Amino acid sequence: GAVVSQHPSRVICKSGTSVKIECRSLDFQATTMFWYRQFPKQSLMLMATSNEGSKATYEQGVEKDKFLINHASLTLSTLTVTSAHPEDSSFYICSAMELAVTYEQYFGPGTRLTVT
Amino acid sequence: DQQVKQNSPSLSVQEGRISILNCDYTNSMFDYFLWYKKYPAEGPTFLISISSIKDKNEDGRFTVFLNKSAKHLSLHIVPSQPGDSAVYFCAARDFGNEKLTFGTGTRLTIIP
Repeated sequence: GAVVSQHPSRVICKSGTSVKIECRSLDFQATTMFWYRQFPKQSLMLMATSNEGSKATYEQGVEKDKFLINHASLTLSTLTVTSAHPEDSSFYICSAMELAVTYEQYFGPGTRLTVT
Repeated sequence: DQQVKQNSPSLSVQEGRISILNCDYTNSMFDYFLWYKKYPAEGPTFLISISSIKDKNEDGRFTVFLNKSAKHLSLHIVPSQPGDSAVYFCAARDFGNEKLTFGTGTRLTIIP
């Protein structure tokens, strides 16, 4: 149980375009989802916390207009990187938590974004 | 401000021996600690956790030790197996806060 999927696993886009990444909890309802970013050989940096039906809470230094997060249902959250630039190239990972049951976070497999 | 630190970026251990991965933290409000294993281009997978009310938690080959006074925790893997080769992250959470703070990771290589 507790499977989280991400789609796509890899995406290459041109500078200036927008890219949407989906995060789904497959066998549980995720009241809270988290979006992380990992640079090569570095830690996972929390970008934002999204709660179903409400606006996401962004960490300091993360541009909310650039990284749009929508948590429209209890099983789906999306991260849209708007007007992507090469410096946005990174590994994006989501996690999902079933708050009423456990504080455990279950991680998705990640999405490799490359902006050319 | 790196509140969770893993000072060893890499570690090599002979197969069958004990692997010890270390983690230090600065935030005294952290009360729950977790270890994750991560392969390249994959998300982290949960290994083991420990609450601040305990000083040891064991699960099969994995044992986590917590020294609150030193703000230090360690993950022991024994015996180490080739499949244990991965990057290991420690993470911490403070009471009432669902967010995790991750360490910088340690790449463990098990030598056959």
